[in-house]
Amino acid sequence: ETGVTQTPRHLVMGMTNKKSLKCEQHLGHNAMYWYKQSAKKPLELMFVYSLEERVENNSVPSRFSPECPNSSHLFLHLHTLQPEDSALYLCASSRDTQGASDSPLHFGNGTRLTVT
Amino acid sequence: ELKVEQNPLFLSMQEGKNYTIYCNYSTTSDRLYWYRQDPGKSLESLFVLLSNGAVKQEGRLMASLDTKARLSTLHITAAVHDLSATYFCAVIQTGANNLFFGTGTRLTVIP
Repeated sequence: ETGVTQTPRHLVMGMTNKKSLKCEQHLGHNAMYWYKQSAKKPLELMFVYSLEERVENNSVPSRFSPECPNSSHLFLHLHTLQPEDSALYLCASSRDTQGASDSPLHFGNGTRLTVT
Repeated sequence: ELKVEQNPLFLSMQEGKNYTIYCNYSTTSDRLYWYRQDPGKSLESLFVLLSNGAVKQEGRLMASLDTKARLSTLHITAAVHDLSATYFCAVIQTGANNLFFGTGTRLTVIP
């Protein structure tokens, strides 16, 4: 039990599909994140939300669309993805954003995405 | 952009041996994190190092930070099989809001 729950654990989708990844945190944290983990590359920050407002968007293609309806839930909507988007997508939360506090990130188990 | 380099990338060591993983970063930072990831699982926070000369220890792992050298070390003492995992360091640039991760060090402890 990590306190950060992601669903689904695995997802296979075609390039024309639309799907969503879901993340829920039960830690009372104010900040939530999406990271992409690809083989042989460092974790890449995609989006940061603080108190439901997006505070960081690291030049992520528009085929990835985040949504944060409240401080406990974070979604990543996917459409017209490319095979190179196949990766492990990790959600994380922290008490405050990394610039505001030294609290570490708490990660979910990730969604393994395969784009065919 | 801040660059974070870890070495080695792969480490295979026998139980009972000692070894050190290194994390170098390219710009000013006063905060560094170490995480552990087991296969198929999420990243787990190990240490937060907040100042120059900071040293933290948990069991067989000890982490240190030298902000002047822009270097952190993760020292493993008398390794056991349960320490097999991938270890990541992550650095936040002073004044920024983004955590930059190293590529990780995959540690395998052989009985």
